[in-house]
Amino acid sequence: QVQLQESGPGLVKPSQTLSLTCTVSGGSISSGGYYWSWIRQHPGKGLEWIGYIYYSGSTYYNPSLKSRVTISVDTSKNQFSLKLSSVTAADTAVYYCARVGYYGGLDYWGQGTLVTVSS
Amino acid sequence: QSVLTQPPSASGTPGQRVTISCSGSSSNIGSNYVYWYQQLPGTAPKLLIYRNNQRPSGVPDRFSGSKSGTSASLAISGLRSEDEADYYCAAWDDSLSGPWVFGGGTKLTVL
Repeated sequence: QVQLQESGPGLVKPSQTLSLTCTVSGGSISSGGYYWSWIRQHPGKGLEWIGYIYYSGSTYYNPSLKSRVTISVDTSKNQFSLKLSSVTAADTAVYYCARVGYYGGLDYWGQGTLVTVSS
Repeated sequence: QSVLTQPPSASGTPGQRVTISCSGSSSNIGSNYVYWYQQLPGTAPKLLIYRNNQRPSGVPDRFSGSKSGTSASLAISGLRSEDEADYYCAAWDDSLSGPWVFGGGTKLTVL
């Protein structure tokens, strides 16, 4: 059973960089065949896709966030990470990591982690 | 403003059949698969329907999906109290919005 777990600071100051890591267990990122995604959900709002990465390092980002987002992968640790720069209060959200399954849907999700941007 | 349009709310009584609509465009629903997610209160979303009308293992057959043109629907039959949740549609998008776009979500209330 694949499991994903987000980790990182729950509080980030405005203008700083938000950094989160997703640790995957029960499956190897380097085995290929899947993309690994970040999605966020603003409080009381809907879902927003941030981007995804393949084990090779290929990435694709939401055009609206592209200038501030970097997603990277560390296959030796079976982890992938999110960095979002120059954050504002508008980036306060629950951040989820998830796997894009063979049929294209997000079939495994982490439990999510709330990141608050505040001074 | 979400790229895919869903009604903000829906409701039904136990045993009833309810449908949730999802409207898009030629660049997303019109040319790609539709996915549906269920988000129970305080939990992460769960994949409910993939590739328009396929159910992952473990999802009851009370849940069904369909697609026609640039719109899609999720139907829930034999409504149960535990179905009370937020439901999101999603699709790949071939335009600059993409590749993944979501609907704004529909809150389903079981009366």
